[in-house]
Amino acid sequence: GAVVSQHPSWVICKSGTSVKIECRSLDFQATTMFWYRQFPKQSLMLMATSNEGSKATYEQGVEKDKFLINHASLTLSTLTVTSAHPEDSSFYICSARDPEVRPKETQYFGPGTRLLVL
Amino acid sequence: AQSVTQLDSHVSVSEGTPVLLRCNYSSSYSPSLFWYVQHPNKGLQLLLKYTSAATLVKGINGFEAEFKKSETSFHLTKPSAHMSDAAEYFCVVTAYYGGSQGNLIFGKGTKLSVKP
Repeated sequence: GAVVSQHPSWVICKSGTSVKIECRSLDFQATTMFWYRQFPKQSLMLMATSNEGSKATYEQGVEKDKFLINHASLTLSTLTVTSAHPEDSSFYICSARDPEVRPKETQYFGPGTRLLVL
Repeated sequence: AQSVTQLDSHVSVSEGTPVLLRCNYSSSYSPSLFWYVQHPNKGLQLLLKYTSAATLVKGINGFEAEFKKSETSFHLTKPSAHMSDAAEYFCVVTAYYGGSQGNLIFGKGTKLSVKP
């Protein structure tokens, strides 16, 4: 149980284009999903918290117009990197909470998406 | 504020020997604590979690962690390392400040290498 998928697993795009990453909870309904960014050999940095049916909460320093988050259903959240630039190249990881699991802070992570912007 | 410190950035052990990955936390509240493992270019997998039900927590793949309030520690152990244990390990504590209720605070990670 508690499986989270991400698609695509890797993507290469040209500078200036937009890229959409999907995060799905496969066997549970996730009222809350999270998006993280991980730089090489570093820990995870929380970008935003996504609640189903409401606007995402962005961490300080994260541009909400740059990183658009949509959580339209209880099993799907999307992250769109708009007008991507080489500095946006990174490993993006999503996670989801299963409201039936304790402690309630437990998060289940997707396999990550490697983005390379040329 | 809550914080978590992983005392070793890199630990190297021989296959079949014990593993000890150290983690200290700081929290004004009774925290929930987690250990996650990340294999190269993969997402994070939950190894185990502490919820105050029992101080010794058993996880997957033979890993255990003991919550010691007096030492504010939550060290991860395994009696016998396997080659497949080589990965990055993250100690995580829950956040309880401002709008971050229930978010996770990650340690910087410990890279575990296992020698044959």
